[in-house]
Amino acid sequence: EAGVAQSPRYKIIEKRQSVAFWCNPISGHATLYWYQQILGQGPKLLIQFQNNGVVDDSQLPKDRFSAERLKGVDSTLKIQPAKLEDSAVYLCASSLQPLGGLIAKNIQYFGAGTRLSVL
Amino acid sequence: AQSVTQLDSHVSVSEGTPVLLRCNYSSSYSPSLFWYVQHPNKGLQLLLKYTSAATLVKGINGFEAEFKKSETSFHLTKPSAHMSDAAEYFCVVSALTSGTYKYIFGTGTRLKVLA
Repeated sequence: EAGVAQSPRYKIIEKRQSVAFWCNPISGHATLYWYQQILGQGPKLLIQFQNNGVVDDSQLPKDRFSAERLKGVDSTLKIQPAKLEDSAVYLCASSLQPLGGLIAKNIQYFGAGTRLSVL
Repeated sequence: AQSVTQLDSHVSVSEGTPVLLRCNYSSSYSPSLFWYVQHPNKGLQLLLKYTSAATLVKGINGFEAEFKKSETSFHLTKPSAHMSDAAEYFCVVSALTSGTYKYIFGTGTRLKVLA
């Protein structure tokens, strides 16, 4: 079974530029998550999708961050314009079954992440 | 509200000696708890999970953890450390919030294994 795919693995940009990250979840996984992991910290949830709908985006800085999952499969996270404090690893995860159900089906599987450096 | 505290930011052990990574949780109801490992430049890999079944949980690579409700702890152990165990370890509590499960991560423990 293929895992969660993310690209690019690394990105270096200057502040005020824009950047986009792509994620392809495990086949059949309805829920997709984007996390931000700042160096030395645990991952912080940015946005959670169920199929192509947003379940939770309460911690997404909506003035500069946007995300979409148009066909309920892969997803794109965008930052425009980037700030220095956006330097982090952006992790994508997916799980089989959203919105309650058995916890066993809500185990999250993570991609390798995209490391963003904003100069 | 649910939360998780990893008591040590760094742990160093010698190869072949036991590993203990400590995690305490706070939850208003019976939680589901996980340990994930993150090797450099890699994603998070699930080591083991507790979901209200047996309190002693065995995971991959010889790791295990014991859920102790009276102590609100879920410490990760391994009898004998290997060089390949050097990584960042995250304790996670899963909370059902507004009909959906969310992960709440600890701040991580970096394990160093000395030759």
